[in-house]
Amino acid sequence: KNEVEQSPQNLTAQEGEFITINCSYSVGISALHWLQQHPGGGIVSLFMLSSGKKKHGRLIATINIQEKHSSLHITASHPRDSAVYICAAPRKLTFGKGTLLTVNP
Amino acid sequence: NAGVMQNPRHLVRRRGQEARLRCSPMKGHSHVYWYRQLPEEGLKFMVYLQKENIIDESGMPKERFSAEFPKEGPSILRIQQVVRGDSAAYFCASSATQNTEAFFGQGTRLTVV
Repeated sequence: KNEVEQSPQNLTAQEGEFITINCSYSVGISALHWLQQHPGGGIVSLFMLSSGKKKHGRLIATINIQEKHSSLHITASHPRDSAVYICAAPRKLTFGKGTLLTVNP
Repeated sequence: NAGVMQNPRHLVRRRGQEARLRCSPMKGHSHVYWYRQLPEEGLKFMVYLQKENIIDESGMPKERFSAEFPKEGPSILRIQQVVRGDSAAYFCASSATQNTEAFFGQGTRLTVV
């Protein structure tokens, strides 16, 4: 079983919609990365968080250590947000399988 | 502060040749991670190095692949006698410590013809 599980695997939204991507992780992980990868592109680190909430522009990441769960939210989604979003655990960076987000205009 | 630099960005090798991929971590970072992303697949951990030491190579294929991170200079991922199945994007990331945020390079896209 993967240490990091993500859902959904695929997500299609209309421009302007509020997006939520979920990530659950197993025992022994005390923090989480959220990464973004555009098709054929590089990988951008969006957040690393070990408690509470972080916000950067239209992106918000939350984590609940007790429940071993994290969410990435995108407000007012835009077609340029279309990418694969990946949650990953530090120490070897164990990856979730990623969520392919497509935002249609 | 320059980000993680990988070169070359694209590398074409014939079957049987050697591929050498370089990764210069961010300034002040002594932890380097290498990952492979096969076409249409997710990222897979290969190896984790700290200056002059291999900390974890559990994701490295047993043969033909090696990695180093010398005291001076970039980290090198070396693939000997490449085969078509080695064609992939290879990313490296660096961090200041084991549990701090890691930053990724743009990747090297290896094509074996």
